[in-house]
Amino acid sequence: SQQGEEDPQALSIQEGENATMNCSYKTSINNLQWYRQNSGRGLVHLILIRSNEREKHSGRLRVTLDTSKKSSSLLITASRAADTASYFCAYRLEGNTPLVFGKGTRLSVIA
Amino acid sequence: DTGVSQDPRHKITKRGQNVTFRCDPISEHNRLYWYRQTLGQGPEFLTYFQNEAQLEKSRLLSDRFSAERPKGSFSTLEIQRTEQGDSAMYLCASSLAPALAEAFFGQGTRLTVV
Repeated sequence: SQQGEEDPQALSIQEGENATMNCSYKTSINNLQWYRQNSGRGLVHLILIRSNEREKHSGRLRVTLDTSKKSSSLLITASRAADTASYFCAYRLEGNTPLVFGKGTRLSVIA
Repeated sequence: DTGVSQDPRHKITKRGQNVTFRCDPISEHNRLYWYRQTLGQGPEFLTYFQNEAQLEKSRLLSDRFSAERPKGSFSTLEIQRTEQGDSAMYLCASSLAPALAEAFFGQGTRLTVV
């Protein structure tokens, strides 16, 4: 399977703490994206990092990409209860291919 | 609402029945994707279209599944002779030219086969 793997599968933290989620993948990629999914809803795009980038920021989100290790991390700083959701990494293989999703990290932020 | 819309949101059907789902993508998006998601898992790719052409189908898409996108606008996903294992959330997404494109997802259709 080409599906990526997120780690941890589940994460529970207190409001105000930082949350870090990791994603590993198996092949060369064009770019890597992170999505968020609230329970029973569709996915919402959060951030995209290109294969030639190492770090990217968007608000309270920080994403890193290490292509040598085939891994990425998503850091959410100063978490809020509203950040409670599942977070998925997704990537395109080189070329025009559909997004491949990981299995997700379920984040619970406790107020 | 100019996002991706899916209809119906929920569908309960008896095993062996046929079901059809509809997806209306963002109007200027030329790519449309169907994914399936089961509880606790990430979305799994089923098939995608560029305009009206179906460019790729996953091995997950058995002969009972068929998708169309007439005129490159809305798309339908039909499942014939449904099985209990078809119970899942079916997600539709659309995007522009793919190289760096983010995908915009609909809210999904949750199918329950009883």
